[in-house]
Amino acid sequence: AQKITQTQPGMFVQEKEAVTLDCTYDTSDQSYGLFWYKQPSSGEMIFLIYQGSYDEQNATEGRYSLNFQKARKSANLVISASQLGDSAMYFCAMRDNTGGFKTIFGAGTRLFVKA
Amino acid sequence: DAMVIQNPRYQVTQFGKPVTLSCSQTLNHNVMYWYQQKSSQAPKLLFHYYDKDFNNEADTPDNFQSRRPNTSFCFLDIRSPGLGDAAMYLCATSRAGRGSDEQFFGPGTRLTVL
Repeated sequence: AQKITQTQPGMFVQEKEAVTLDCTYDTSDQSYGLFWYKQPSSGEMIFLIYQGSYDEQNATEGRYSLNFQKARKSANLVISASQLGDSAMYFCAMRDNTGGFKTIFGAGTRLFVKA
Repeated sequence: DAMVIQNPRYQVTQFGKPVTLSCSQTLNHNVMYWYQQKSSQAPKLLFHYYDKDFNNEADTPDNFQSRRPNTSFCFLDIRSPGLGDAAMYLCATSRAGRGSDEQFFGPGTRLTVL
C-alpha cells in the first residue's frame, strides 16, 4: 500500500531564509507522481509543485524546489527566501500513474515564518 | 477566472438532520473529488467522479452520498450527520489522463454538527 510520511509536525524559519520540509513515501509502483500542496488558514489547498517518478531533473517552481531522491524514496520541499505569507500547512502527496485517481496525503507540516 | 466554488463556506446542522454541500467548477475538468479533512489531519478521500462514473472509497460510510448531475456540479449529501462528521469538506477537480495533473481545490465548507 502507498504511504506518505511527514515527520515534522511544525517548523520555524526566519524570514528570507530557506527551509526544507521533509517527505518520505512508500510504494511498490514504478510510475507515480509526487505533489506538494499549501493550505493557508483560510482552508483552500494550493498546488505548489509536481515531480514524476521518471523525471531526472528536480522540479522547480519559482521559490519552490523539490529535492527528489528516488533511491531513498524522499521528496523534500525546499522553500527559498521565506516570506511571512508562506506560513501555512504543507502537505506532501502521491498518486500512481497507472490511471488511478486516488491521491494519498501525508499528515502535513505546519510552517511558521518569523519576522 | 476558472475556479472551483463551494457553497456554503460554513454550514451548521443538527445531529441527524440531512445536509447537502455544493461544489461547482468552471475548469471543465473530467474528475471531481470530495475530501473530508478533520482538524490538523490530512484530507481523506471520500469518493470521486470520472465524468459520470462514481467511485466510492472502501471506507467511506454509507451515510455519505454524492451526485453529479452535470460536468460542472457535484453535491455531497450527508444523510444523518453525527458529531463525528464535523469537519472541513473539500471539493477538488482534475483533468483526466495524466498522473501529473494536479488537483484544483475549492475553499472548502466547514461543517458543524450540533
